Amino acid sequence: GAVVSQHPSRVICKSGTSVKIECRSLDFQATTMFWYRQFPKQSLMLMATSNEGSKATYEQGVEKDKFLINHASLTLSTLTVTSAHPEDSSFYICSAVSGTASTDTQYFGPGTRLTVL
Amino acid sequence: GENVEQHPSTLSVQEGDSAVIKCTYSDSASNYFPWYKQELGKGPQLIIDIRSNVGEKKDQRIAVTLNKTAKHFSLHITETQPEDSAVYFCAASKGSSASKIIFGSGTRLSIRP
Repeated sequence: GAVVSQHPSRVICKSGTSVKIECRSLDFQATTMFWYRQFPKQSLMLMATSNEGSKATYEQGVEKDKFLINHASLTLSTLTVTSAHPEDSSFYICSAVSGTASTDTQYFGPGTRLTVL
Repeated sequence: GENVEQHPSTLSVQEGDSAVIKCTYSDSASNYFPWYKQELGKGPQLIIDIRSNVGEKKDQRIAVTLNKTAKHFSLHITETQPEDSAVYFCAASKGSSASKIIFGSGTRLSIRP
C-alpha cells in the first residue's frame, strides 16, 4: 500500500513553455502533499506544501507565480512550471502524507525529470 | 528552523560488513525521524523510521537508534549486500500530518564485492 505516482516521468520542453506535473496517491487519500526539487548529487529541497482545497504554502525563495500548485482532490496535486527556463531543469519529486496525525508517514513519488532546452 | 546534518557524505564497505550513517538535528521539538533510500533516477523510498518515544527500532538487517538528549540518530545496516548501494537520506520532522520533513545532505553508500 501507500503508492504515489507521478506523471510524466520525464519531460523535455522548450524555453518559455509551461509544463504540468501530476502527483497521485493511488491507494490512500492525502490531505497534504509536498513538492520537492532535487539537483544532481544534492539533497531534496522542499518547494511547497500542498493542501487539498486551499492555497499552497511556498518555501522562502520559491516563486508562487512560477510554480503553480493545485491540490484539486484528496488524491491529486499538480505542479505547473510556467515559462520554463533552462535553470528550471531539475528532478521534481512529490510526496503524500498517509495516516493519522500521530502516525503519519510521507511516501514519495518516483520523480519527474524536467529538461528545459 | 530545523537543521539536519548527515555524515559521512560517501561510504564504501566490503560486502557482508556493516555500514553506519549518523545524523544530528537542531530542533528539540522534532519527534519523527525517517530514513530514505534513493536509487539513481528514482524517488526516495522509506526504509525505516523512528519516533521520539523509542530509542531503537530494527527491521531485519536495518536498525535505527535515537538519542534525544544528544539530538542524534543513526542508521545501521548489517550484512551489507550489493543491492544496498544507493544514496541514503536521514530526515527530521515534528511529525504531524502537515509537518515538513527536513532532509540531511545524503550519504552515497557503495558496497564492494
